Amino acid sequence: QSVLTQPPSVSGAPGQRVTISCTGSSSNIGAGYDVHWYQQLPGTAPKFLIYGNTNRPSGVPDRFSGSKSGTSASLAITGLQAEDEADYYCQSYDSSLSGSVFGGGTKLTVL
Amino acid sequence: QLQLQESGPGLVKPSETLSLTCTVSGGSISSSSYYWGWIRQPPGKGLEWIGSIYYSGSTYYNPSLKSRVTISVDTSKNQFSLKLSSVTAADTAVYYCASKGIAAPFDYWGQGTLVTVSS
Repeated sequence: QSVLTQPPSVSGAPGQRVTISCTGSSSNIGAGYDVHWYQQLPGTAPKFLIYGNTNRPSGVPDRFSGSKSGTSASLAITGLQAEDEADYYCQSYDSSLSGSVFGGGTKLTVL
Repeated sequence: QLQLQESGPGLVKPSETLSLTCTVSGGSISSSSYYWGWIRQPPGKGLEWIGSIYYSGSTYYNPSLKSRVTISVDTSKNQFSLKLSSVTAADTAVYYCASKGIAAPFDYWGQGTLVTVSS
């Protein structure tokens, strides 16, 4: 049972928009700690996609965007492409655990 | 840019201690800008933060693993290490080392190393 809750899977057709939610609590996201998002392609290490809730590192297409409100955060992907098919994880800090916490991960399938 | 590389045995017997080392290149492990962390991923499952260490030696562990985990840093070799004691099959996973800025994401990752716990 992960501290941060994500849907196990989402899917969408090429060109469509999908969102992945990440629900936490008052000791992590709700406490104001930043949420970061990672993309993990099959057989590879995770790569950070969004940092500080809404920021994209250089090289990440602007099709990817992040948001945060209350005890939840979301990752939105617009203009879905086949290459976006991957697992996505949210991550934050939890004050009651005094450490980093990950969501359980969401598998994105591009139909 | 930083590069991280895990090394260590790929097979550990139950009840023994898993030991891994992460070698950092492209930057100094003594940098005050980074924490150095270990994250694992059981086959087919999600990511689990194991713990992190600051260059000063301050350590932070996942409470669920704290009694079995030790993370240390060797500044002379630009390496940090993980020891996980009393392993069971549930500890079988790909183990990643990663760097993390203060209030920032895990930005640089090693390629990961699969450790199997089996007799």
